[in-house]
Amino acid sequence: DTAVSQTPKYLVTQMGNDKSIKCEQNLGHDTMYWYKQDSKKFLKIMFSYNNKELIINETVPNRFSPKSPDKAHLNLHINSLELGDSAVYFCASSQVPPGNTEAFFGQGTRLTVV
Amino acid sequence: AQKVTQAQTEISVVEKEDVTLDCVYETRDTTYYLFWYKQPPSGELVFLIRRNSFDEQNEISGRYSWNFQKSTSSFNFTITASQVVDSAVYFCALSEGSSNTGKLIFGQGTTLQVKP
Repeated sequence: DTAVSQTPKYLVTQMGNDKSIKCEQNLGHDTMYWYKQDSKKFLKIMFSYNNKELIINETVPNRFSPKSPDKAHLNLHINSLELGDSAVYFCASSQVPPGNTEAFFGQGTRLTVV
Repeated sequence: AQKVTQAQTEISVVEKEDVTLDCVYETRDTTYYLFWYKQPPSGELVFLIRRNSFDEQNEISGRYSWNFQKSTSSFNFTITASQVVDSAVYFCALSEGSSNTGKLIFGQGTTLQVKP
C-alpha cells in the first residue's frame, strides 16, 4: 500500500510538448510538495500546497503549473517542455510544524526531453 | 540564510568499515528540524531520521547512529560495520520552524560506495 505514489515513473517527450505528472498520498498529510532533482543529484523545492492552497512557489517558470484538486492529490503540469526541464521530479507529503515534519517521497518521475 | 553543507561528495569504504557522513547547517531560527534521507541506486528517497532543534540527544538505530551538536551546527551520521546495501546517496536536510511550510533545504548529498 504505497504512501506517496506518482505516475508515470518515466516520461520521454519531445521539446515543445505539454505533459503532466500525477501524485497521490494516502497518509492523511495536509501538505504536499514537488521537488526537482537535477543531473548532479541536487534537490530543490518547486511548489508546496497546504490543504489545496499554494504556499510555496520557488521562482519556477510559469510553464510549470501545479494543481491540487484535494489535499490528497497534487499534480504537475508542464507546458512547452524544454531540454533543460529534463530531471527527476519528486512528489512528497508531510505535516507542517508542530506536527511530525518528515516528508515522505514518491518514487520519482524521470523526465527526459529530447 | 539557511544552508546545508555536506562537504564529502563521495566516500568509498570496504565492507565492515565504519563510516561517518558529515552535515553542517546554517539557520537563524531557534526552532528547526534536521533530517537524513537515503537514495539507493533504485532512485527513491527514503526517510531515515528527524531531529528537532530542542532535542540534542543522539540516536542509535541498529547500525545507524546520529550525532547532533548545536554548538558546531552539525548533524553527522555514522554507519557501523557498513554493508554493500548501504551504498547510496545520503542527503542531510533542514526545515525551519519559522517558515511553517515544511520546506526542506537539502545538502548536496554524499555518495557512499561500500565495496565487498
